Amino acid sequence: LAKTTQPISMDSYEGQEVNITCSHNNIATNDYITWYQQFPSQGPRFIIQGYKTKVTNEVASLFIPADRKSSTLSLPRVSLSDTAVYYCLVGDGLNSGYSTLTFGKGTMLLVSP
Amino acid sequence: DAGVTQSPTHLIKTRGQQVTLRCSPKSGHDTVSWYQQALGQGPQFIFQYYEEEERQRGNFPDRFSGHQFPNYSSELNVNALLLGDSALYLCASSLTVDNEQFFGPGTRLTVL
Repeated sequence: LAKTTQPISMDSYEGQEVNITCSHNNIATNDYITWYQQFPSQGPRFIIQGYKTKVTNEVASLFIPADRKSSTLSLPRVSLSDTAVYYCLVGDGLNSGYSTLTFGKGTMLLVSP
Repeated sequence: DAGVTQSPTHLIKTRGQQVTLRCSPKSGHDTVSWYQQALGQGPQFIFQYYEEEERQRGNFPDRFSGHQFPNYSSELNVNALLLGDSALYLCASSLTVDNEQFFGPGTRLTVL
């Protein structure tokens, strides 16, 4: 499985855009990139998944360059409630990527007033 | 829809004891996976159950075992508890084995 590297922590203020970058140099051809969010004392929650270029949903955007060796999760206009740990995962294929999730340590995002 | 539920929410055991954690999947889901999350770490995959059988297993010793019932609910059993087993145990359910997993709130296990 491809290893992911992301910052341990990030700080932001309400209303700002936050970009969290994840490195996955050994990503395989069939791998998809998935981001999860976890609040304290809760289980992780799926945010977004992509294979290449850009994916956008109602919560976030995911930017993936052509070489796919990194990806950036973009959270527009964060609020205090976006304070959480964000995990970047790389899985072998859209379906198999769901099957057995491999989490790293994640990025702790702290949003201040 | 109640989502994934787990019981108990908290549990305190002593070394050497055995523990059973329970999980009820999201309505309509037939696959249950278990994860262990130590403090400050990401969740680590323990095993996955589908059609009442263990389908995949992570790098955990045989002290960790599980079961899935006909109604798709599941149990995680840990024998001969060690201090290092203290963690948040998460259950996730999905509709068949290769679909998005939905996590429960977890059971916080403390081993003294």
